Amino acid sequence: LAKTTQPISMDSYEGQEVNITCSHNNIATNDYITWYQQFPSQGPRFIIQGYKTKVTNEVASLFIPADRKSSTLSLPRVSLSDTAVYYCLVGDGSSNTGKLIFGQGTTLQVKP
Amino acid sequence: DSGVTQTPKHLITATGQRVTLRCSPRSGDLSVYWYQQSLDQGLQFLIQYYNGEERAKGNILERFSAQQFPDLHSELNLSSLELGDSALYFCASSVGVAGGDPSSEQYFGPGTRLTVT
Repeated sequence: LAKTTQPISMDSYEGQEVNITCSHNNIATNDYITWYQQFPSQGPRFIIQGYKTKVTNEVASLFIPADRKSSTLSLPRVSLSDTAVYYCLVGDGSSNTGKLIFGQGTTLQVKP
Repeated sequence: DSGVTQTPKHLITATGQRVTLRCSPRSGDLSVYWYQQSLDQGLQFLIQYYNGEERAKGNILERFSAQQFPDLHSELNLSSLELGDSALYFCASSVGVAGGDPSSEQYFGPGTRLTVT
């Protein structure tokens, strides 16, 4: 079974860059890696998605090494409103059933 | 607002009972996903449907079942409920199929909070 590992929590200050890494040791070969943000009592919200190398959008960047066994979400210049839980989502490469696996989530606390 | 609706928002029921959770996907989305979120298990993928057909199955118990109807709305049926089934249940939808499809960005509904007493 594929396993994803993220740090449980991280602290940062406003204006800093935050990097959150997710390890996924058995990702499905053809699957994309997706990151979501979740606020309390709300559903997760899409941040960014990539297959390999680097992807950038208006809110984040995603770095994926060639072996695709990990991915790093980069949030530039965080603000207090970025305080949330961040999840990676990958396809399970061990079962080839289309099963999806969320990381356990990283709680980011941004301080003033 | 993601465009995905879920009803009811809250549900309180007793052990042994059966409940049905309903999800309406965003207009144009063909895939529907169901997830369970509890404090000790995190976000767990339950099942996915694509255009009415079961596409992928995750950690869904045999007491749980789901279906996607011709109008693309979906229902998750939970039966013989146990205390441990208390959780937030999320539905999500996407245009394509999550994983190998770049149009697989999922939009999540607000969730149904199920409390089993």
